[in-house]
Amino acid sequence: GAGVSQTPSNKVTEKGKYVELRCDPISGHTALYWYRQSLGQGPEFLIYFQGTGAADDSGLPNDRFFAVRPEGSVSTLKIQRTERGDSAVYLCASRGGDTEAFFGQGTRLTVV
Amino acid sequence: QKEVEQDPGPLSVPEGAIVSLNCTYSNSAFQYFMWYRQYSRKGPELLMYTYSSGNKEDGRFTAQVDKSSKYISLFIRDSQPSDSATYLCAMSLTGTASKLTFGTGTRLQVTL
Repeated sequence: GAGVSQTPSNKVTEKGKYVELRCDPISGHTALYWYRQSLGQGPEFLIYFQGTGAADDSGLPNDRFFAVRPEGSVSTLKIQRTERGDSAVYLCASRGGDTEAFFGQGTRLTVV
Repeated sequence: QKEVEQDPGPLSVPEGAIVSLNCTYSNSAFQYFMWYRQYSRKGPELLMYTYSSGNKEDGRFTAQVDKSSKYISLFIRDSQPSDSATYLCAMSLTGTASKLTFGTGTRLQVTL
């Protein structure tokens, strides 16, 4: 499809486990964003890629969170030693220059 | 104080009413302003996108930006039950190396 695709749509994991969340942006979009949204809150910025490099990772909450975008297209958000507080919807968006940013449907992560 | 402030609501209006949704912000360097609609358990969907000050109209939706007051608005005319959703404002600095900063979202309910 032409939109931003995120997989999986839902992920349940045990506390302490490692998870990977995938984002497939709109073709040709060089900018890619990861956000986290808790219930009743607006999306909270995590990290922004321009091409392959992380232009701004100031929103990553701690060193358990890491993201990559090795070929400037698909991105993976990696969370180590998951905690219950990591439970949220993780959203990915892509943007082609100074234009609109389009979001995927999100991955709902539940840490039990 | 958050960079972007938005009344969380909920806001309940009868079908056919004019709805006014607002955000205030503190960073005068913001140049791009967006409104997203988010249905329950879905990703944000872009509604309106404006650059700098002024008005923009698209069907039943009008977006206004007043940079002198650091205040943006979204008006919905002839509101419909299908407009019931959470409305998120978002804004960014100029240039491609800029993240989106969101408000908390306003939950809107349009009743029959």
